[in-house]
Amino acid sequence: DAGVIQSPRHEVTEMGQEVTLRCKPISGHNSLFWYRQTMMRGLELLIYFNNNVPIDDSGMPEDRFSAKMPNASFSTLKIQPSEPRDSAVYFCASSIRQRGYEQYFGPGTRLTVT
Amino acid sequence: AQSVTQLGSHVSVSEGALVLLRCNYSSSVPPYLFWYVQYPNQGLQLLLKYTSAATLVKGINGFEAEFKKSETSFHLTKPSAHMSDAAEYFCAVSLIGTYKYIFGTGTRLKVLA
Repeated sequence: DAGVIQSPRHEVTEMGQEVTLRCKPISGHNSLFWYRQTMMRGLELLIYFNNNVPIDDSGMPEDRFSAKMPNASFSTLKIQPSEPRDSAVYFCASSIRQRGYEQYFGPGTRLTVT
Repeated sequence: AQSVTQLGSHVSVSEGALVLLRCNYSSSVPPYLFWYVQYPNQGLQLLLKYTSAATLVKGINGFEAEFKKSETSFHLTKPSAHMSDAAEYFCAVSLIGTYKYIFGTGTRLKVLA
């Protein structure tokens, strides 16, 4: 089975530019999570969706961040405008109730904002 | 409120020695508990999980963990460390019936030759 797919794997952009990160969850999974990982703050949950509906976005840093899940097989995390402090690795994960809520992580997108 | 505490941000063991990574949780109801491993430049991979069945849980790569309700602990062990075990390990808790995890801060395991 294909795992969680994220693109791009690496993104380098200049401050002020719009950045869009993409995620394809495992087929059949009904929950999707976006995390951010940095040395300083560790692993932070940004937002999660259940059945394509955002359930908890309390971890989204500020209005510059937005996430969408237009259908069960695709989600985006957008940062506009980007800032150097947004540099981090962003992970997408998906899960399904029948598997005991275990989350399956994608390989991550390493974002560098200069 | 739930929380997870991993004691020791860095642990070093010799190859062949016992690995013990500590995790304590705080939860008002029985939780689900997980251990994940992250190798450099990779995503997190599930090692094992506790979901209210057997208290001793066996996972991949020879790891196991024991759920101890009286100690609110879920420590990860492996009898004999291998060089390939060098990675960062995360403990996580979720409330039964929810999808949201609370992750610990991680423990970086170093295996010495």
